[in-house]
Amino acid sequence: AQSVTQLGSHVSVSEGALVLLRCNYSSSVPPYLFWYVQYPNQGLQLLLKYTSAATLVKGINGFEAEFKKSETSFHLTKPSAHMSDAAEYFCAVSEGKYGGSQGNLIFGKGTKLSVKP
Amino acid sequence: GAVVSQHPSRVICKSGTSVKIECRSLDFQATTMFWYRQFPKQSLMLMATSNEGSKATYEQGVEKDKFLINHASLTLSTLTVTSAHPEDSSFYICSARGSRLSTDTQYFGPGTRLTVL
Repeated sequence: AQSVTQLGSHVSVSEGALVLLRCNYSSSVPPYLFWYVQYPNQGLQLLLKYTSAATLVKGINGFEAEFKKSETSFHLTKPSAHMSDAAEYFCAVSEGKYGGSQGNLIFGKGTKLSVKP
Repeated sequence: GAVVSQHPSRVICKSGTSVKIECRSLDFQATTMFWYRQFPKQSLMLMATSNEGSKATYEQGVEKDKFLINHASLTLSTLTVTSAHPEDSSFYICSARGSRLSTDTQYFGPGTRLTVL
């Protein structure tokens, strides 16, 4: 069964500093991996996704993530944090193209990012 | 493109009443819709998956008679919480996956905050 582990439930950075949110996955087949962002009282917005093409994936708002099979990781980074980046970030895995029989996503527990001025 | 809406955004009801939540894909046809539940400061838990025109598939532990899901068209799915109780209070989020979009990506609605008194 697939699973996702996000290290650190809360990460705090200063504005302009590097953002690094960690995600490790477990999957028996090549995974599809996603990062979503959630602002308070809102749904989830797709930041980026890895679907077995390039291992370095660029997303919206300056975020990118690198798929490392040897480390079973898909960490999310952004060179310079902005105040507007403060939100909850979720890593998710979908096994194969449709996530098993019905394309389910398995979410990590989330990492809350705080950005200090 | 790929906008998903939910209505209502917030609902407060008395214990014992039923509440219907609508999920609509506004600019694409959603062949599959997903319903999630999110408790405060926790991740999303998949409740059920529905394909247009067929019965929903519920995750283990989710009562299908309590959480009625109807996916009557390619743009609308509804979740009805029957005989709601305070423990049903939660943030309910739907997502949709379309046949003409990236079939590996779920697009999420903004969520519905249900409070049962």
